[in-house]
Amino acid sequence: DVKVTQSSRYLVKRTGEKVFLECVQDMDHENMFWYRQDPGLGLRLIYFSYDVKMKEKGDIPEGYSVSREKKERFSLILESASTNQTSMYLCASARTGVLNSQYFGPGTRLTVL
Amino acid sequence: QKEVEQDPGPLSVPEGAIVSLNCTYSNSAFQYFMWYRQYSRKGPELLMYTYSSGNKEDGRFTAQVDKSSKYISLFIRDSQPSDSATYLCAMSSSGGSYIPTFGRGTSLIVHP
Repeated sequence: DVKVTQSSRYLVKRTGEKVFLECVQDMDHENMFWYRQDPGLGLRLIYFSYDVKMKEKGDIPEGYSVSREKKERFSLILESASTNQTSMYLCASARTGVLNSQYFGPGTRLTVL
Repeated sequence: QKEVEQDPGPLSVPEGAIVSLNCTYSNSAFQYFMWYRQYSRKGPELLMYTYSSGNKEDGRFTAQVDKSSKYISLFIRDSQPSDSATYLCAMSSSGGSYIPTFGRGTSLIVHP
Protein backbone atom coordinates (compact mmCIF):
# COMPACT_ATOMS: atom_id res chain seq x y z
CA ASP A 1 0.00 0.00 0.00
CA VAL A 2 1.44 3.35 -1.05
CA LYS A 3 2.12 5.78 1.69
CA VAL A 4 2.79 9.46 2.22
CA THR A 5 3.22 10.32 5.87
CA GLN A 6 3.46 13.66 7.59
CA SER A 7 5.22 14.16 10.90
CA SER A 8 2.32 15.72 12.80
CA ARG A 9 -1.46 15.77 12.41
CA TYR A 10 -1.88 18.83 14.62
CA LEU A 11 0.64 21.51 15.54
CA VAL A 12 0.30 24.70 17.60
CA LYS A 13 3.08 27.29 17.41
CA ARG A 14 3.59 30.88 18.46
CA THR A 15 4.18 33.85 16.18
CA GLY A 16 7.86 34.17 15.28
CA GLU A 17 8.73 30.52 15.90
CA LYS A 18 10.56 28.46 13.30
CA VAL A 19 8.39 25.56 12.19
CA PHE A 20 9.39 22.36 10.42
CA LEU A 21 6.87 20.15 8.66
CA GLU A 22 8.19 16.80 7.50
CA CYS A 23 6.88 14.55 4.75
CA VAL A 24 8.06 11.05 3.83
CA GLN A 25 6.96 8.88 0.91
CA ASP A 26 7.75 5.22 0.33
CA MET A 27 6.90 4.99 -3.38
CA ASP A 28 10.30 6.07 -4.77
CA HIS A 29 8.60 9.05 -6.46
CA GLU A 30 10.85 11.69 -7.95
CA ASN A 31 8.44 14.58 -7.36
CA MET A 32 7.13 15.97 -4.09
CA PHE A 33 4.84 18.89 -3.36
CA TRP A 34 3.69 21.08 -0.51
CA TYR A 35 0.23 22.62 -0.59
CA ARG A 36 -1.83 24.60 1.84
CA GLN A 37 -5.60 24.24 1.94
CA ASP A 38 -7.87 26.97 3.25
CA PRO A 39 -11.69 27.18 3.26
CA GLY A 40 -12.92 28.96 0.16
CA LEU A 41 -9.46 29.04 -1.40
CA GLY A 42 -8.88 25.38 -2.12
CA LEU A 43 -5.44 23.84 -2.62
CA ARG A 44 -2.59 26.21 -3.31
CA LEU A 45 0.89 25.05 -4.28
CA ILE A 46 3.69 26.40 -2.10
CA TYR A 47 6.77 24.57 -3.43
CA PHE A 48 7.60 21.43 -5.30
CA SER A 49 10.72 19.38 -5.91
CA TYR A 50 11.43 17.19 -8.92
CA ASP A 51 14.67 15.72 -7.63
CA VAL A 52 16.92 15.60 -4.59
CA LYS A 53 18.22 19.08 -3.72
CA MET A 54 16.03 20.63 -6.44
CA LYS A 55 13.13 22.94 -5.68
CA GLU A 56 10.73 25.17 -7.57
CA LYS A 57 8.44 27.89 -6.29
CA GLY A 58 4.73 27.32 -6.56
CA ASP A 59 1.98 29.91 -6.45
CA ILE A 60 2.49 31.14 -2.88
CA PRO A 61 6.12 30.61 -1.76
CA GLU A 62 6.44 33.78 0.31
CA GLY A 63 7.22 33.07 3.95
CA TYR A 64 8.20 29.45 3.26
CA SER A 65 11.28 27.48 2.33
CA VAL A 66 11.85 23.80 1.61
CA SER A 67 14.54 21.19 1.85
CA ARG A 68 15.00 17.90 0.02
CA GLU A 69 18.16 16.13 1.07
CA LYS A 70 16.86 12.61 0.41
CA LYS A 71 14.53 11.33 -2.28
CA GLU A 72 11.89 10.13 0.15
CA ARG A 73 11.79 13.22 2.39
CA PHE A 74 10.57 16.76 1.72
CA SER A 75 10.50 19.37 4.45
CA LEU A 76 8.57 22.63 4.61
CA ILE A 77 10.03 25.37 6.79
CA LEU A 78 8.32 28.43 8.15
CA GLU A 79 11.25 30.64 9.13
CA SER A 80 9.15 32.94 11.32
CA ALA A 81 5.59 31.74 11.69
CA SER A 82 2.79 34.27 11.39
CA THR A 83 -0.92 33.99 12.16
CA ASN A 84 -1.82 34.09 8.46
CA GLN A 85 0.06 30.82 8.04
CA THR A 86 -2.55 29.03 10.13
CA SER A 87 -3.79 26.41 7.69
CA MET A 88 -3.96 22.76 6.67
CA TYR A 89 -0.69 21.73 5.03
CA LEU A 90 -0.72 18.81 2.61
CA CYS A 91 2.25 16.99 1.19
CA ALA A 92 2.00 14.97 -2.03
CA SER A 93 4.24 12.91 -4.26
CA ALA A 94 4.05 11.80 -7.89
CA ARG A 95 6.01 9.83 -10.43
CA THR A 96 7.67 11.77 -13.26
CA GLY A 97 5.42 11.89 -16.31
CA VAL A 98 2.26 11.60 -14.24
CA LEU A 99 2.56 14.64 -11.99
CA ASN A 100 -1.20 15.01 -12.13
CA SER A 101 -1.66 11.66 -10.34
CA GLN A 102 -0.59 12.78 -6.94
CA TYR A 103 -0.64 10.80 -3.70
CA PHE A 104 -1.40 12.95 -0.69
CA GLY A 105 -0.50 12.63 2.95
CA PRO A 106 -3.09 13.05 5.73
CA GLY A 107 -2.24 16.70 6.30
CA THR A 108 -0.95 18.78 9.19
CA ARG A 109 -3.32 21.25 10.79
CA LEU A 110 -1.05 24.13 11.89
CA THR A 111 -2.30 26.83 14.22
CA VAL A 112 -0.11 29.89 14.80
CA LEU A 113 -1.07 31.91 17.88
CA GLN B 1 -11.75 34.74 -13.17
CA LYS B 2 -10.14 31.66 -11.65
CA GLU B 3 -8.82 29.08 -14.09
CA VAL B 4 -11.01 26.39 -12.53
CA GLU B 5 -14.43 27.13 -11.03
CA GLN B 6 -16.25 24.71 -8.74
CA ASP B 7 -19.34 25.33 -6.64
CA PRO B 8 -18.41 24.70 -2.98
CA GLY B 9 -21.89 23.46 -2.03
CA PRO B 10 -22.75 21.83 0.26
CA LEU B 11 -24.79 19.49 -1.89
CA SER B 12 -27.15 17.40 0.21
CA VAL B 13 -28.88 14.37 -1.33
CA PRO B 14 -30.76 11.30 -0.07
CA GLU B 15 -29.17 7.88 -0.22
CA GLY B 16 -29.64 6.27 -3.62
CA ALA B 17 -29.76 9.55 -5.55
CA ILE B 18 -27.72 10.27 -8.65
CA VAL B 19 -25.21 12.99 -7.89
CA SER B 20 -23.75 15.38 -10.44
CA LEU B 21 -20.64 17.36 -9.56
CA ASN B 22 -19.26 19.89 -12.03
CA CYS B 23 -16.35 22.16 -12.84
CA THR B 24 -15.78 24.76 -15.52
CA TYR B 25 -12.43 25.99 -16.69
CA SER B 26 -11.00 28.72 -18.87
CA ASN B 27 -7.64 27.33 -20.04
CA SER B 28 -8.13 25.55 -23.36
CA ALA B 29 -4.70 23.90 -23.00
CA PHE B 30 -5.97 21.58 -20.27
CA GLN B 31 -5.91 17.98 -21.51
CA TYR B 32 -5.85 15.90 -18.32
CA PHE B 33 -8.82 15.92 -15.98
CA MET B 34 -8.93 14.40 -12.53
CA TRP B 35 -11.35 14.01 -9.66
CA TYR B 36 -10.09 13.68 -6.12
CA ARG B 37 -12.15 12.69 -3.08
CA GLN B 38 -11.27 14.10 0.32
CA TYR B 39 -12.82 12.77 3.51
CA SER B 40 -12.92 15.01 6.55
CA ARG B 41 -9.50 15.41 8.18
CA LYS B 42 -7.81 13.33 5.47
CA GLY B 43 -5.74 14.12 2.39
CA PRO B 44 -7.29 13.98 -1.10
CA GLU B 45 -7.18 10.66 -2.97
CA LEU B 46 -7.32 10.26 -6.73
CA LEU B 47 -10.71 8.92 -7.81
CA MET B 48 -10.88 9.25 -11.58
CA TYR B 49 -8.46 10.30 -14.31
CA THR B 50 -9.38 11.09 -17.92
CA TYR B 51 -7.49 12.36 -20.90
CA SER B 52 -9.09 14.78 -23.39
CA SER B 53 -12.81 14.49 -24.10
CA GLY B 54 -15.26 11.69 -23.50
CA ASN B 55 -16.56 9.52 -20.71
CA LYS B 56 -14.90 7.14 -18.30
CA GLU B 57 -16.75 4.78 -16.01
CA ASP B 58 -15.56 3.05 -12.85
CA GLY B 59 -18.22 1.26 -10.88
CA ARG B 60 -20.76 3.78 -9.66
CA PHE B 61 -18.64 6.71 -10.84
CA THR B 62 -18.62 8.28 -14.32
CA ALA B 63 -16.36 11.13 -15.35
CA GLN B 64 -17.36 13.21 -18.34
CA VAL B 65 -15.35 15.84 -20.19
CA ASP B 66 -16.76 18.31 -22.70
CA LYS B 67 -13.79 20.31 -23.99
CA SER B 68 -15.90 22.37 -26.39
CA SER B 69 -17.82 23.78 -23.41
CA LYS B 70 -14.83 23.64 -21.02
CA TYR B 71 -16.98 21.66 -18.60
CA ILE B 72 -16.32 18.47 -16.68
CA SER B 73 -18.64 16.37 -14.56
CA LEU B 74 -18.52 13.53 -12.09
CA PHE B 75 -21.65 11.42 -11.72
CA ILE B 76 -22.22 9.14 -8.76
CA ARG B 77 -24.97 6.54 -9.15
CA ASP B 78 -26.77 4.99 -6.20
CA SER B 79 -25.06 7.37 -3.81
CA GLN B 80 -24.19 6.06 -0.33
CA PRO B 81 -23.56 7.83 3.00
CA SER B 82 -19.94 6.71 2.63
CA ASP B 83 -19.71 8.95 -0.46
CA SER B 84 -20.06 11.98 1.82
CA ALA B 85 -16.84 13.92 1.26
CA THR B 86 -15.41 16.90 -0.56
CA TYR B 87 -14.79 16.30 -4.26
CA LEU B 88 -12.06 18.30 -5.96
CA CYS B 89 -11.67 18.56 -9.68
CA ALA B 90 -8.18 19.09 -11.07
CA MET B 91 -6.77 19.57 -14.53
CA SER B 92 -3.46 20.03 -16.26
CA SER B 93 -2.00 20.69 -19.68
CA SER B 94 0.20 18.39 -21.71
CA GLY B 95 2.93 20.90 -22.45
CA GLY B 96 5.53 21.86 -19.85
CA SER B 97 4.48 21.26 -16.28
CA TYR B 98 1.88 18.60 -15.63
CA ILE B 99 1.19 20.00 -12.18
CA PRO B 100 -2.59 20.22 -11.85
CA THR B 101 -4.72 23.22 -11.09
CA PHE B 102 -7.32 22.33 -8.48
CA GLY B 103 -10.88 23.53 -8.06
CA ARG B 104 -11.94 24.62 -4.58
CA GLY B 105 -13.94 21.45 -3.99
CA THR B 106 -17.64 20.62 -3.58
CA SER B 107 -18.86 19.28 -0.25
CA LEU B 108 -21.28 16.36 -0.74
CA ILE B 109 -23.55 15.04 2.01
CA VAL B 110 -25.49 11.83 1.39
CA HIS B 111 -28.04 11.29 4.15
CA PRO B 112 -29.62 7.90 4.93
